[in-house]
Amino acid sequence: RKEVEQDPGPFNVPEGATVAFNCTYSNSASQSFFWYRQDCRKEPKLLMSVYSSGNEDGRFTAQLNRASQYISLLIRDSKLSDSATYLCVVYQEYGNKLVFGAGTILRVKS
Amino acid sequence: DAGVIQSPRHEVTEMGQEVTLRCKPISGHDYLFWYRQTMMRGLELLIYFNNNVPIDDSGMPEDRFSAKMPNASFSTLKIQPSEPRDSAVYFCASSFKGIGTNEKLFFGSGTQLSVL
Repeated sequence: RKEVEQDPGPFNVPEGATVAFNCTYSNSASQSFFWYRQDCRKEPKLLMSVYSSGNEDGRFTAQLNRASQYISLLIRDSKLSDSATYLCVVYQEYGNKLVFGAGTILRVKS
Repeated sequence: DAGVIQSPRHEVTEMGQEVTLRCKPISGHDYLFWYRQTMMRGLELLIYFNNNVPIDDSGMPEDRFSAKMPNASFSTLKIQPSEPRDSAVYFCASSFKGIGTNEKLFFGSGTQLSVL
């Protein structure tokens, strides 16, 4: 089983739609969580950290469920520019490493 | 700041040749990471440095891979001899603090390596 699992998609949605991605992690000792965004043929960039109480940044909302070991990302009012691969990332203190999921592809179409 | 700078952007080489990838981290960042990304395995950490010292190289696939950081502004990842299965995008990243502090990682644009 992979340490961080994501549905690879692609998720094909129209502009203005709301879309949600989930991510599960296997190590219950994981401490910090993030969503990174990667455009085609580009480097990953931090989208947002995920806090235990949930957090929002504009149209983006991240949630963490430690009991079920999953993280979610909700995008409201999707824009064409949201089209990208979204990487779920988990920090594990043991080993002091970031573990990246394989990513979920989002395509927003007009 | 120019961000993390990697060179070359693309490298095409033949099996058995030596390949050297280069990275200049953001000035003032104490941590430097080398990642490899493939379709099959996603992003994998190969090695990271703190203050120019290698801290964890457990992700380095085998002895053909080596990495150095002779000073705070330069690092290299070398593959010798290269093999077709080494074909991937290699990213360098840096951060001001360690990754356990919710610190943001800044990635370079990557080097697309193709070994024929």
